Amino acid sequence: QKEVEQDPGPLSVPEGAIVSLNCTYSNSAFQYFMWYRQYSRKGPELLMYTYSSGNKEDGRFTAQVDKSSKYISLFIRDSQPSDSATYLCAMSPRPFMDTGRRALTFGSGTRLQVQP
Amino acid sequence: EPEVTQTPSHQVTQMGQEVILRCVPISNHLYFYWYRQILGQKVEFLVSFYNNEISEKSEIFDDQFSVERPDGSNFTLKIRSTKLEDSAMYFCASGEGATDTQYFGPGTRLTVL
Repeated sequence: QKEVEQDPGPLSVPEGAIVSLNCTYSNSAFQYFMWYRQYSRKGPELLMYTYSSGNKEDGRFTAQVDKSSKYISLFIRDSQPSDSATYLCAMSPRPFMDTGRRALTFGSGTRLQVQP
Repeated sequence: EPEVTQTPSHQVTQMGQEVILRCVPISNHLYFYWYRQILGQKVEFLVSFYNNEISEKSEIFDDQFSVERPDGSNFTLKIRSTKLEDSAMYFCASGEGATDTQYFGPGTRLTVL
């Protein structure tokens, strides 16, 4: 079983739709969860991060973590064509008080296309 | 807004040659990383660097790889003898340490011929 699984898509939605992106993971030690957006041949851009279970909202984006199910989600409201990109989930097993050991484990990414 | 920068954006080299990829992390950050992404595959961790030493490395980061912070601003990745399978995008990232958030640079595309 892969440590982090993510549906590769592509996911195609009309402009204005609510988008739901998900990852599952197997390592119960993961405590920090991040979502990155990556445009073609560019570096990952940090969108959201959460620590442990719960919800976090930032503008049109909501990140949700359910540690009991080992399942994380990113919701995008009122999706725009500019949201078209690959969305990567990433997670880290190290608590923030540790010293420098923060290797991120990434999902394979979901390609999102928002049609105008 | 501060950002991580990387040079060059694209490096072409012959198999067996040494390459050095350069990064300037965000200035007040203390934690530095290298990741790579082979075309069509997931982003993979290579190495983390903190307090002037390697704090963690993956199986990929073998003796052919080394990292250095030669001054207060640059962070480099050296591949001593490149192989065809080293062709990938190499991303530098940095973090301030208060959380696990890491900010990525735009990447260097390495092509080994």
